[in-house]
Amino acid sequence: DQQVKQNSPSLSVQEGRISILNCDYTNSMFDYFLWYKKYPAEGPTFLISISSIKDKNEDGRFTVFLNKSAKHLSLHIVPSQPGDSAVYFCAASPNSGGSNYKLTFGKGTLLTVNP
Amino acid sequence: EPEVTQTPSHQVTQMGQEVILRCVPISNHLYFYWYRQILGQKVEFLVSFYNNEISEKSEIFDDQFSVERPDGSNFTLKIRSTKLEDSAMYFCASSGDTTGELFFGEGSRLTVL
Repeated sequence: DQQVKQNSPSLSVQEGRISILNCDYTNSMFDYFLWYKKYPAEGPTFLISISSIKDKNEDGRFTVFLNKSAKHLSLHIVPSQPGDSAVYFCAASPNSGGSNYKLTFGKGTLLTVNP
Repeated sequence: EPEVTQTPSHQVTQMGQEVILRCVPISNHLYFYWYRQILGQKVEFLVSFYNNEISEKSEIFDDQFSVERPDGSNFTLKIRSTKLEDSAMYFCASSGDTTGELFFGEGSRLTVL
């Protein structure tokens, strides 16, 4: 049961261009969405998040867009840098009303930024 | 920068043996989690822990699994009798507030032979 789907297992872009990573979800109870980056042999590292009350959140080169009606979110990285090459995980959580965040992860997208 | 640390980084064990994976969460965090990632698959939630008790657990977290916070700093995951399918990377995470930002450790790779 894939409640969080990342349909592109990999993406390759040129340095300086925009990287767009997509994520779809099916569970209407999801209320909070996060992107994590993961390098080999390391744990996931938090990148950026967005609450369902917003449709955009920006942090430096990273912007997350949320389309609730389409149950779709995307992560934009611009400009892309070779150091951005990693696996990017989309994650979602229901609003439990507390701080117990049970994240449901997508399968990840391997981003390769070519110099 | 504070970080979550996990030991061991890699453990090889025989099927049926008990395994304990250890984690030191970030010191002022209150919420602790274990996730796992089987090779080639997604990161999956196992269990969350708050105020010295399990808050939520997944279907994966059956009677063979247990968690404990034996002192003020460590958070452990015990697998009582390991199975081949328990082979995975196990990630500990902690969070301290309501933003949902979980800080993950580097993982403990468990190989069951």
